[in-house]
Amino acid sequence: GENVEQHPSTLSVQEGDSAVIKCTYSDSASNYFPWYKQELGKRPQLIIDIRSNVGEKKDQRIAVTLNKTAKHFSLHITETQPEDSAVYFCAAWDSSYKLIFGSGTRLLVRP
Amino acid sequence: SAVISQKPSRDICQRGTSLTIQCQVDSQVTMMFWYRQQPGQSLTLIATANQGSEATYESGFVIDKFPISRPNLTFSTLTVSNMSPEDSSIYLCSVEVAGGGADTQYFGPGTRLTVL
Repeated sequence: GENVEQHPSTLSVQEGDSAVIKCTYSDSASNYFPWYKQELGKRPQLIIDIRSNVGEKKDQRIAVTLNKTAKHFSLHITETQPEDSAVYFCAAWDSSYKLIFGSGTRLLVRP
Repeated sequence: SAVISQKPSRDICQRGTSLTIQCQVDSQVTMMFWYRQQPGQSLTLIATANQGSEATYESGFVIDKFPISRPNLTFSTLTVSNMSPEDSSIYLCSVEVAGGGADTQYFGPGTRLTVL
């Protein structure tokens, strides 16, 4: 079955710097890769997603890239702000269209 | 997207008892899922709640422990049976919403369960 690995587990950046979170997946048939942001005590919220027919997608300060050959995808946050501090989860749809989640990255943006 | 609510938002229960969690969506959805998120951990899929048929459980989860109902396309329940402290966790329902030729998954607010 699908296996999703996520790195790093924690990431601390200075406000204004960029943050990059990387994920790899195992199932070459996976074709949908969402990213969720979870603030403390809140539900996971979808922030951006990418499908296998594109290599990059951008939404304001957030971008996601996908390399299907290498089976990895990354989340890029530019000009980070304190409110970006949260836990971020990557995920991949497996062949049964179930979401398999990475282990999460705790991002801390220092003011 | 979809507006998803869960009841209760939190509960403290005694071991050996059972708790039923409700999930309500504001629109009809085909796919509903139940996840568990243990403290500081990622999300683990418990089962897919199928309307009109039995739920499909993931490895490590069984119907006797986590019975699920899905009476219609807007509602589902998850019961945590014969609870032990190891069941203390956040339980989240999730729905898959179709839109623009692509499906997206959204989460409810979660139910925080503490078992004493």
